[in-house]
Amino acid sequence: NAGVTQTPKFRILKIGQSMTLQCTQDMNHNYMYWYRQDPGMGLKLIYYSVGAGITDKGEVPNGYNVSRSTTEDFPLRLELAAPSQTSVYFCASSPGTDRTVEAFFGQGTRLTVV
Amino acid sequence: KQEVTQIPAALSVPEGENLVLNCSFTDSAIYNLQWFRQDPGKGLTSLLLIQSSQREQTSGRLNASLDKSSGRSTLYIAASQPGDSATYLCAVNWNSGAGSYQLTFGKGTKLSVIP
Repeated sequence: NAGVTQTPKFRILKIGQSMTLQCTQDMNHNYMYWYRQDPGMGLKLIYYSVGAGITDKGEVPNGYNVSRSTTEDFPLRLELAAPSQTSVYFCASSPGTDRTVEAFFGQGTRLTVV
Repeated sequence: KQEVTQIPAALSVPEGENLVLNCSFTDSAIYNLQWFRQDPGKGLTSLLLIQSSQREQTSGRLNASLDKSSGRSTLYIAASQPGDSATYLCAVNWNSGAGSYQLTFGKGTKLSVIP
């Protein structure tokens, strides 16, 4: 059982470049989330999805885009990368409405924009 | 808007001590609360989940309590060990409106257990 898988683990981007962070889960969870974690700042929600075809903004969505064409996949797109997007990105999934089941996290993608 | 606060931000204790980490949240309409552990440069490992209807959960040397009405949770670690050194994060799963659920995190407590 792979859980939540993120790729790549590390990436260096130049200012203005674009990239897609991939996230896949195999638990058939309806809810998926993208967070960024900056040192000492905890995790901030970028975007989330309550099911295939449905996405919504979180606390810090500017500079990012997402799509959810399948239950399994929730890619995060960075357009025109900026140094402020240097961070560690985590993808997570949960059943959402089942309060007895925990959320699962991927291992993170460490992104540096130079 | 849900806000989650963790106190203290950092804690250093000698090995063998019992300790308590605190988490508070502003909106008591939560579905569950989860405690995570994060080692430096690593992902999040789930430690305990407490449902909104529960008062506490135990796993080994860890005990988490929840007082939903006052918006508080505590994580109790018994007989601390150097291997417990990590950052501990609290997260609440709450209804953000229109049937959507968000998982909101505190900033964490960095624990150091000194041998």
